[in-house]
Amino acid sequence: AQSVTQLDSHVSVSEGTPVLLRCNYSSSYSPSLFWYVQHPNKGLQLLLKYTSAATLVKGINGFEAEFKKSETSFHLTKPSAHMSDAAEYFCVVTLYNNNDMRFGAGTRLTVKP
Amino acid sequence: DAGVTQSPTHLIKTRGQQVTLRCSPKSGHDTVSWYQQALGQGPQFIFQYYEEEERQRGNFPDRFSGHQFPNYSSELNVNALLLGDSALYLCASSSWSSGFYEQYFGPGTRLTVT
Repeated sequence: AQSVTQLDSHVSVSEGTPVLLRCNYSSSYSPSLFWYVQHPNKGLQLLLKYTSAATLVKGINGFEAEFKKSETSFHLTKPSAHMSDAAEYFCVVTLYNNNDMRFGAGTRLTVKP
Repeated sequence: DAGVTQSPTHLIKTRGQQVTLRCSPKSGHDTVSWYQQALGQGPQFIFQYYEEEERQRGNFPDRFSGHQFPNYSSELNVNALLLGDSALYLCASSSWSSGFYEQYFGPGTRLTVT
């Protein structure tokens, strides 16, 4: 069965510095992978998705992620953190055409002024 | 264009009671999925509805049931509430024809069981 492991429960960065949120996945078949962001009292918002096209995926708000099959990773990065990026981030895996999305436990990103 | 809406926003119930949560999908979407998000955890898939039928189900007991109406809105029902059912319940909508992964989430219903 597919699953994801988010390697850090909490990441703290200073405003203007790079962001790296790590995610490893486990899947028997070619997975689809996603990153979602959840701001307090707001719904989950899709940042980006990988569905077997280009391995480097660009998302909204300057975020991007690279699918590395050899490392079974899908880390989320951003060159320069902004205060508004502070939120909970979830890595998600699913099989193509499988409606069961498996969420990681989440990484809380804190951005210091 | 209204996104996914859920009602109520908050709900407090007593152990053993029954609860119904409601979801209206984004305009143009015909598929609704429900998730349970316990405090400090990622959402867990409960089930998905399309054409008024349950299409897929996660690892949840039969106490969790649902319904989809002809206008694509959906309800989640939970019977015989347990303290462990306290969570944020999220609804997500998508278009079956464009792929499940284009899911849009609502803000959720916070259920507290006392």
